[in-house]
Amino acid sequence: NAGVTQTPKFRILKIGQSMTLQCTQDMNHNYMYWYRQDPGMGLKLIYYSVGAGITDKGEVPNGYNVSRSTTEDFPLRLELAAPSQTSVYFCASSYSTGEGETQYFGPGTRLLVL
Amino acid sequence: GQQVMQIPQYQHVQEGEDFTTYCNSSTTLSNIQWYKQRPGGHPVFLIQLVKSGEVKKQKRLTFQFGEAKKNSSLHITATQTTDVGTYFCAGGAYSGAGSYQLTFGKGTKLSVIP
Repeated sequence: NAGVTQTPKFRILKIGQSMTLQCTQDMNHNYMYWYRQDPGMGLKLIYYSVGAGITDKGEVPNGYNVSRSTTEDFPLRLELAAPSQTSVYFCASSYSTGEGETQYFGPGTRLLVL
Repeated sequence: GQQVMQIPQYQHVQEGEDFTTYCNSSTTLSNIQWYKQRPGGHPVFLIQLVKSGEVKKQKRLTFQFGEAKKNSSLHITATQTTDVGTYFCAGGAYSGAGSYQLTFGKGTKLSVIP
């Protein structure tokens, strides 16, 4: 199993540009998450999904959109990039969201908005 | 909402010294998880604690869950350079509506001086 994969690894955007961060997991996990991690800071939940077709906002959803058309994929969309969105983005997945669930993280996407 | 505080934010130790990071929740937790993130890497699951007063060991790492299930600690004995990284706690709890949520602390960044 590849686990959780993310593309691209690194991207530079100009202000106002848009892009999609890709996330795929091959563990048949129902739950998927997007976090951002600013330099020297902790993880903040952007959006999460409890299954295909179902998504919900996390702590910091503004400026982002997500979709979950399949169990495997959970792309994150930035429509109008702003410097405040410069961060490292981690996708994670888990089998369930109950007690004992472990989140498996992807390698991250480093985004720089200039 | 649920808040998880982690201290200290940074810790610099001489190789061979001990290290402890503390995690405190604003609400009673169902479980607590610990993750390690190496510099430039992604968070990796270390362990989960579920029972009040639980203590678990992984070689030089000792994890404790408080009696009231509102705090936890990670203690590393005789630190090595391989211990360098950021250690995150994540508290799991059920909301009033019955949904489960995992909230990450901001992490403790450990530097080990050879």
